Amino acid sequence: GAVVSQHPSWVICKSGTSVKIECRSLDFQATTMFWYRQFPKQSLMLMATSNEGSKATYEQGVEKDKFLINHASLTLSTLTVTSAHPEDSSFYICSAAGQGAIPEQYFGPGTRLTVT
Amino acid sequence: DAKTTQPPSMDCAEGRAANLPCNHSTISGNEYVYWYRQIHSQGPQYIIHGLKNNETNEMASLIITEDRKSSTLILPHATLRDTAVYYCIPGGGADGLTFGKGTHLIIQP
Repeated sequence: GAVVSQHPSWVICKSGTSVKIECRSLDFQATTMFWYRQFPKQSLMLMATSNEGSKATYEQGVEKDKFLINHASLTLSTLTVTSAHPEDSSFYICSAAGQGAIPEQYFGPGTRLTVT
Repeated sequence: DAKTTQPPSMDCAEGRAANLPCNHSTISGNEYVYWYRQIHSQGPQYIIHGLKNNETNEMASLIITEDRKSSTLILPHATLRDTAVYYCIPGGGADGLTFGKGTHLIIQP
């Protein structure tokens, strides 16, 4: 299957700083990428949908000015958590959809963010 | 989004077939049924998807009822590495996925 990578796999940052997470599709071009987060013992929650070359679409309740998404190429999307606070500590996971008629999504391994 | 109902947990003996049911009675006509699984602290893994017909791949088989209101994922010969949370998700290919609580499948040695 298709491979999606994320970097870093884990990060610890201080409250008030910003953190950038990269998501790459390694062996296919992804027209659309998605960002999810998962709190302990909960399911994944969709945060935003990102299409290459256009602005991301955010789910209700997700602050677009806090979670900046850039999808500059067909293989790379980035999520920047700005002015991070302890409540932003979570497992952030991206996925990439291929260009087929019925694209399944392939997920990255996730990034564990801890804000102290 | 279509609502799904899955048993919260299931046990299966290693080497036996694991049959995971999902009820998605509100699925719309153009929505596929996707199955993913998540092993603890990892990103979800795509397993299989289908629309109307039964599907099989190297990982699993998917049986969809004729009225499309429910489906069953079959892992033919479960191994310990198949222990994970399994999610049944109706949806269209270009949309973000709505994850429910899934089924925690535990494979017993």
